[in-house]
Amino acid sequence: GQQVMQIPQYQHVQEGEDFTTYCNSSTTLSNIQWYKQRPGGHPVFLIQLVKSGEVKKQKRLTFQFGEAKKNSSLHITATQTTDVGTYFCARRREYGNKLVFGAGTILRVKS
Amino acid sequence: SQTIHQWPATLVQPVGSPLSLECTVEGTSNPNLYWYRQAAGRGLQLLFYSVGIGQISSEVPQNLSASRPQDRQFILSSKKLLLSDSGFYLCAWSKRTYEQYFGPGTRLTVT
Repeated sequence: GQQVMQIPQYQHVQEGEDFTTYCNSSTTLSNIQWYKQRPGGHPVFLIQLVKSGEVKKQKRLTFQFGEAKKNSSLHITATQTTDVGTYFCARRREYGNKLVFGAGTILRVKS
Repeated sequence: SQTIHQWPATLVQPVGSPLSLECTVEGTSNPNLYWYRQAAGRGLQLLFYSVGIGQISSEVPQNLSASRPQDRQFILSSKKLLLSDSGFYLCAWSKRTYEQYFGPGTRLTVT
């Protein structure tokens, strides 16, 4: 259906290590969005990808959209303690302006 | 710039009591508005969606209702709260580009 699967559910890394979360769909996506939610906070929009094979960077964050537009990834280089939180991907539903969110990946960083 | 407000920030209510959560958006007109619930710090469940004044779409049958009496005001209500209504309630808005911007949320505990 329209669900998006995120893996892993949880990751605990040492500060300075890299981190990647993946978002997969069984159907082609028109676009994919990524959000970050800090502990105790609300989700914050990070980026939207719309083109096949698209790669966008925000400082240490690299976002990719697969060639088949069925998967996406978020990679963080050299994690910092400020990166802790839950990262959600979201796809737009086929009709209307609603999003379907993945279950999220919880990132913890050990300093 | 646009801002979104939610209140109260936290709420403790007994089972069977009524509920009213308010969300207002500033700096934009005719936004799409959303109510989500997040349980156990994971997963965003869409509750209600509105494209305009008086236009409400309910996503799941439940003990809650929503109203949009003004363009930038969205209200979540219940006549009688259940224990299962506890959670983190998030309001969000979007425009044509579909990314959503979330308010700070209300943490509701039903006792």
